[in-house]
Amino acid sequence: GESVGLHLPTLSVQEGDNSIINCAYSNSASDYFIWYKQESGKGPQFIIDIRSNMDKRQGQRVTVLLNKTVKHLSLQIAATQPGDSAVYFCAESEGTSYDKVIFGPGTSLSVIP
Amino acid sequence: KAGVTQTPRYLIKTRGQQVTLSCSPISGHRSVSWYQQTPGQGLQFLFEYFSETQRNKGNFPGRFSGRQFSNSRSEMNVSTLELGDSALYLCASSPLIGGAGEQYFGPGTRLTVT
Repeated sequence: GESVGLHLPTLSVQEGDNSIINCAYSNSASDYFIWYKQESGKGPQFIIDIRSNMDKRQGQRVTVLLNKTVKHLSLQIAATQPGDSAVYFCAESEGTSYDKVIFGPGTSLSVIP
Repeated sequence: KAGVTQTPRYLIKTRGQQVTLSCSPISGHRSVSWYQQTPGQGLQFLFEYFSETQRNKGNFPGRFSGRQFSNSRSEMNVSTLELGDSALYLCASSPLIGGAGEQYFGPGTRLTVT
């Protein structure tokens, strides 16, 4: 079946460095992608989304890149801070209906002070 | 605004029992959805309610059910609990129907089935 997966289950970065979290998706019909952050003891928090008609979208300190040719999604976090330590999920969907959203397993980001 | 609240935060039940979890959405949000999160399966959609009507349902057995009240508060029920039902159950609210990306998640209820 269709699936969303992350290349790296864990990532450690030095405070102040940039972080890149990668995600592969397999459903070529997916047209909507979301990144979530989940801190320990909390529910997922929306970070940024991107639609398939875009290649790049920027937020505050975060950038999402979409490469539809190789079905790859990445989240870049600039000047990583200790508060960025969390599990990051990517999700893909055909449209925005909840039953169409497939979540990836997550990457754990640890920021080294 | 207050965020999404879920009660209880932790729960321990034994196999065969049933459980009811509660979710209060953000004020003004009429869409409430439920998810199951486990280390093995990740985050999986259970169902969505909007204006007291179930709009969508994920691929879960009939033992999982839910409802929404007129004040948008929602409950989910799991009957005849199995060990595999141990998970973090997350509720999310949204001002939109099917507004993935516009959802706000609660902290979850950690259910342990022994």
